[in-house]
Amino acid sequence: QVQLQESGPGLVKASETLSLTCTVTGYFISSGYYWAWIRQPPGKGLEWIGSIYFRGNTYYTSSLKSRLTMSVDTAKNQLSLRLTSVTPADTAVYYCARQEYNGNFLGAFDVWGQGTLVPVSS
Amino acid sequence: SYELTQPPSVSVSPGQTARITCSGDALPKKYVYWYQQKSGQAPVLVIFEDNKRPSGIPERFSGSSSGTMATLTIRGAQVDDEADFYCYSTDSSGDQRVFGGGTKLTVL
Repeated sequence: QVQLQESGPGLVKASETLSLTCTVTGYFISSGYYWAWIRQPPGKGLEWIGSIYFRGNTYYTSSLKSRLTMSVDTAKNQLSLRLTSVTPADTAVYYCARQEYNGNFLGAFDVWGQGTLVPVSS
Repeated sequence: SYELTQPPSVSVSPGQTARITCSGDALPKKYVYWYQQKSGQAPVLVIFEDNKRPSGIPERFSGSSSGTMATLTIRGAQVDDEADFYCYSTDSSGDQRVFGGGTKLTVL
């Protein structure tokens, strides 16, 4: 059974860097699929952040591209997110998810982590 | 930037049919996916590639897409179906992926 678990700091200060890790169990990330980060500000909707393949191919949302870095560590079976120069507007529940890939296009997010709330203090 | 538009809320009585729409300029050429998110939980995929249902999703959930509009239909809606529903798709370039703003479904 594939499971994803996000982990990170309990609180980040404005202007600092937010770093999150997603640990995948029950599936080797190098076996395929893309892996994604999605966030949800409190009381608001979902926002796709970006998707990454185990070989490092990435798609980032244009609104965060200048501050965003995603990476994978196949040895630890983890994916990571790094968002620089955060503001209170980056306060959100951050989810990692597995994303289907058939060789031609990226598809559904079929397995999600439980999410982790990251408040950004001013 | 690309946007998908959903109604903020839909309300039906138990046993009725609920329809949630999602509109976007690229939908004639791009698949739509639908997610159900109950309060305090992670989203769950209920429809993929416009009209396919993952295993474990009840048959009362169905999807369709025509032109620039996609529709999630829940036949015989149940109180347990109350949730926020989000559509998801890609812009015409295939690089940007977006969620709709979400629709709160009330069944009472």
